[in-house]
Amino acid sequence: DQQVKQNSPSLSVQEGRISILNCDYTNSMFDYFLWYKKYPAEGPTFLISISSIKDKNEDGRFTVFLNKSAKHLSLHIVPSQPGDSAVYFCAARAQKLVFGQGTRLTINP
Amino acid sequence: EAQVTQNPRYLITVTGKKLTVTCSQNMNHEYMSWYRQDPGLGLRQIYYSMNVEVTDKGDVPEGYKVSRKEKRNFPLILESPSPNQTSLYFCASSPGRMGNEQFFGPGTRLTVL
Repeated sequence: DQQVKQNSPSLSVQEGRISILNCDYTNSMFDYFLWYKKYPAEGPTFLISISSIKDKNEDGRFTVFLNKSAKHLSLHIVPSQPGDSAVYFCAARAQKLVFGQGTRLTINP
Repeated sequence: EAQVTQNPRYLITVTGKKLTVTCSQNMNHEYMSWYRQDPGLGLRQIYYSMNVEVTDKGDVPEGYKVSRKEKRNFPLILESPSPNQTSLYFCASSPGRMGNEQFFGPGTRLTVL
């Protein structure tokens, strides 16, 4: 039972354009959502988060949007840079964190 | 430097040979957790600990043991490893609630032959 789903295993975007990574969830008890970024041979690192009482949180080039009615979360990166190439995991919190499968983002020069 | 360390980083072993993966954090975090990452499945929690001597099962605890005798250390023990435990393992720690932002170690790639 996958409570948090990232349906796109991979995404390729041109440098300078917008990257949009999507995440869907099923558990309405989730109250906090996070995005992690993972480079090869490293552990995931926290990127940005959003509380369920908000619908948008922005941090520099990164913006997370939450649509509670649709149970949908998205991460926007603009403009995309080559260093953004990584695997991105969304996670949702009830009593613990539940992670999605990850999306591999490739930024092409 | 605040960090989570894991050892070893890479390990190849054989079925049935007991092994321990160590995890240590220097941030005085109460909560620690072990995850495994498998293709198409993301990060799945194996065990977690809310404090010293307090541990509980995550989503995929079968075949694993943990202990939390000191706040900074949270070793993962595989008493009798099997090939289906071949995976990439991450230790993580966080302050406050387990669901808060977690700090991850660099990972341990385990192969069980």
